[in-house]
Amino acid sequence: NAGVMQNPRHLVRRRGQEARLRCSPMKGHSHVYWYRQLPEEGLKFMVYLQKENIIDESGMPKERFSAEFPKEGPSILRIQQVVRGDSAAYFCASSPREPGELFFGEGSRLTVL
Amino acid sequence: AQRVTQPEKLLSVFKGAPVELKCNYSYSGSPELFWYVQYSRQRLQLLLRHISRESIKGFTADLNKGETSFHLKKPFAQEEDSAMYYCALSGRNYGGSQGNLIFGKGTKLSVKP
Repeated sequence: NAGVMQNPRHLVRRRGQEARLRCSPMKGHSHVYWYRQLPEEGLKFMVYLQKENIIDESGMPKERFSAEFPKEGPSILRIQQVVRGDSAAYFCASSPREPGELFFGEGSRLTVL
Repeated sequence: AQRVTQPEKLLSVFKGAPVELKCNYSYSGSPELFWYVQYSRQRLQLLLRHISRESIKGFTADLNKGETSFHLKKPFAQEEDSAMYYCALSGRNYGGSQGNLIFGKGTKLSVKP
């Protein structure tokens, strides 16, 4: 069973562009979580999704950020009109159930120029 | 506000020495606490959770509600224990999912030969 797959591993964007980060959960896992890690900080929860539903988005910034987990395909974290402060590592985790152990991906590192 | 504090950014010990990684938290309600570990070039993974009361790789952690602490301990450190360690608190008590974890900033443990 392959682990949680995230791509791209590294993404460079200029201010004002859009960033799309993808996460394929482990096989059999229907719960997906996104976290953001700023430099020198711990991971901060952003959003929790099940297939086609956003369950908990209490950590999502109110503007420019959105997430989805469609019936088919990976979960997508979308950041519109990126700013330098969005530069961070974005981690995805999946779980077979809630509550359950989280299995993390290797992260996607976004750099905004 | 709920918070997890890891006061040490870096902890360096010699092989065979005892190690204690500190974690303090603030909460309202009954906490669920975890330790996650990230070895070099590997993914973040669960090390142990307080409700399991188990010892993993020789590590133990006891929840002290009086001191609001969840320190991670090992009597004899090994070189392979060198890694980044994160303490985390479940946000479930605040109406969120159990996957809504609040992480500390992490402590880098370096075990020297």
